[in-house]
Amino acid sequence: GENVEQHPSTLSVQEGDSAVIKCTYSDSASNYFPWYKQELGKRPQLIIDIRSNVGEKKDQRIAVTLNKTAKHFSLHITETQPEDSAVYFCAAVRDFGNEKLTFGTGTRLTIIP
Amino acid sequence: NAGVTQTPKFQVLKTGQSMTLQCAQDMNHEYMSWYRQDPGMGLRLIHYSVGAGITDQGEVPNGYNVSRSTTEDFPLRLLSAAPSQTSVYFCASRAGGPWVAKNIQYFGAGTRLSVL
Repeated sequence: GENVEQHPSTLSVQEGDSAVIKCTYSDSASNYFPWYKQELGKRPQLIIDIRSNVGEKKDQRIAVTLNKTAKHFSLHITETQPEDSAVYFCAAVRDFGNEKLTFGTGTRLTIIP
Repeated sequence: NAGVTQTPKFQVLKTGQSMTLQCAQDMNHEYMSWYRQDPGMGLRLIHYSVGAGITDQGEVPNGYNVSRSTTEDFPLRLLSAAPSQTSVYFCASRAGGPWVAKNIQYFGAGTRLSVL
């Protein structure tokens, strides 16, 4: 089955700096990669996703890049703000008729004012 | 429109007790799933359903039962609770269709379960 590794497990950055979280996956057939943000005590929420036919996707201050050859994808947050403090999870799945998303172990991001 | 509603929010059980975690959605979503979240392990899929009357196992199904008699409800049953089932449980739902990428998954607020 799929295995997703996520690094780092914790990350602290100064407000205004950039943060990068990296994930690697093992199943070359995985073709959909969502990222979730989970604030303390809250539910996970989808913040951005990417399909395997795209190398990069941006949404305001967040972006995701995908390297299919190396089987890794990354979340980039620029101009970080205090409200970006949360746990971020990556996931991978073979899209189409498959509910079995495999999640990474999470990254706790802390923005230092 | 309440989205995905989970009850209870918190529960403490003794080893061997049984209980049902409730999950209901009002978005007419066909697909529903149960996850558990443990420290340092991310979210792991327990069971899922692609429609009323249809369920299947996820990554960690042992010790849990599910049924789906209506589109709205997807309860998770612990028949004989064990300390290893101490976790935070999330229910999620999404609109139908086989393409996961086209149908955003919405999570409930979670149930924090402790088994002593």
